[in-house]
Amino acid sequence: DAGVTQSPTHLIKTRGQHVTLRCSPISGHKSVSWYQQVLGQGPQFIFQYYEKEERGRGNFPDRFSARQFPNYSSELNVNALLLGDSALYLCASSFSVGSHQETQYFGPGTRLLVL
Amino acid sequence: AQTVTQSQPEMSVQEAETVTLSCTYDTSESDYYLFWYKQPPSRQMILVIRQEAYKQQNATENRFSVNFQKAAKSFSLKISDSQLGDAAMYFCAYRRGGTSYGKLTFGQGTILTVHP
Repeated sequence: DAGVTQSPTHLIKTRGQHVTLRCSPISGHKSVSWYQQVLGQGPQFIFQYYEKEERGRGNFPDRFSARQFPNYSSELNVNALLLGDSALYLCASSFSVGSHQETQYFGPGTRLLVL
Repeated sequence: AQTVTQSQPEMSVQEAETVTLSCTYDTSESDYYLFWYKQPPSRQMILVIRQEAYKQQNATENRFSVNFQKAAKSFSLKISDSQLGDAAMYFCAYRRGGTSYGKLTFGQGTILTVHP
């Protein structure tokens, strides 16, 4: 079975632009989470969606938004890009949320560079 | 708020030897889960092992095992018979149980180098 897939793999934008990152979860998984990983640091939680509803939000500004589609894929949108948004954006999928069985499996990430 | 601390920025080990990576966490919860993830230079995060806080028995997965000390809030990872392919950044992560969402809180990571 295919793992979590993300697109694009790399992206270069300029300050003030908007970006959309995409994620497809493992087949059968209904939850998608987004994390931001700045170089040399651990990932930071941005959002979690389950059954198309937002279940959790990290400490990120309103410039960050996300949604989940009926097929459980997800988009992360970032408006008014800042230099500090340069990072690896990771998507993780899990079958459920908050339960004993939940384990998050990560995709390869999208490397965003803001110039 | 829960925090996860990995006090070893870098570790090295000789091939076939054993290495232990340290992790401590701070929480007031009794129901939680702990994880070790591996991130090779290719960057895909891979789950290595997980531990449920309510289980006293330490989790093992082949050459990987943990030493879970709940009272001390310590969760170390032992890699036995180290292989060149074990070289990666290792992250310890915490997830609170009994909630409607599953946010992972990560430590800062430990870079593991394996010498042939």
